[in-house]
Amino acid sequence: EAQLVESGGGLVQPGGSLRISCAASGFSFSHESMSWVRQTPGKGLEWVANTNADGSEKNYVDSVKGRFTISRDNAKNSLYLQMNSLRAEDTAVYYCSKEAYHFDYWGHGTLVTVSS
Amino acid sequence: DIVMIQSPDSLAVSLGERATINCKASQSVLSTSNKKNYLAWYQQKPGQPPKVLIYWASTRESGVPDRFSGSGSGTDFTLTISSLQAEDVAVYYCQQYYGTKTFGQGTKVEI
Repeated sequence: EAQLVESGGGLVQPGGSLRISCAASGFSFSHESMSWVRQTPGKGLEWVANTNADGSEKNYVDSVKGRFTISRDNAKNSLYLQMNSLRAEDTAVYYCSKEAYHFDYWGHGTLVTVSS
Repeated sequence: DIVMIQSPDSLAVSLGERATINCKASQSVLSTSNKKNYLAWYQQKPGQPPKVLIYWASTRESGVPDRFSGSGSGTDFTLTISSLQAEDVAVYYCQQYYGTKTFGQGTKVEI
């Protein structure tokens, strides 16, 4: 069965940077599109970014364009999200998710807190 | 972006009774090419990630009990729990994947 384990979350100051990671196992990672989805108490669930199987296509929600970069290393079965110029409103639990049009597998998430 | 609005925000249902959650999209999520509705339903329990229940509006995910069913087309969709069990207490979300993926605000189901 597919497993996704996020890591790298933490406390960061406004304007700072953070990279979160997702380790995948139990499926053929290099053949699957992957997404980051975040959740806040106020805004609920929000899709953030996705990438296709070989990483050649990347898409972002408007609010993170130019600040966040999604990437993947298929040799390491890993997905990443580089987050720059972080804002208080980026505070959320970030989930890594496998895409099959819908999101069919989710990790347990990593908490990113942006605060001074 | 397609806006998804769920109703109600919360509902209390007795054990064994039916629970019905509605989801309305700001524009159609029905593909004219493949006749599929790009709509999924998720269940989220406290401290856990969302879990997919239904996709393509009415296809039940493997392992999901058959008391969960999805219906609707175009812009109006419904998730029905035919006989509520204690383990069904959760927040339920609809999500469209026709355009930029967006979620409804969630519906909390309590006993």
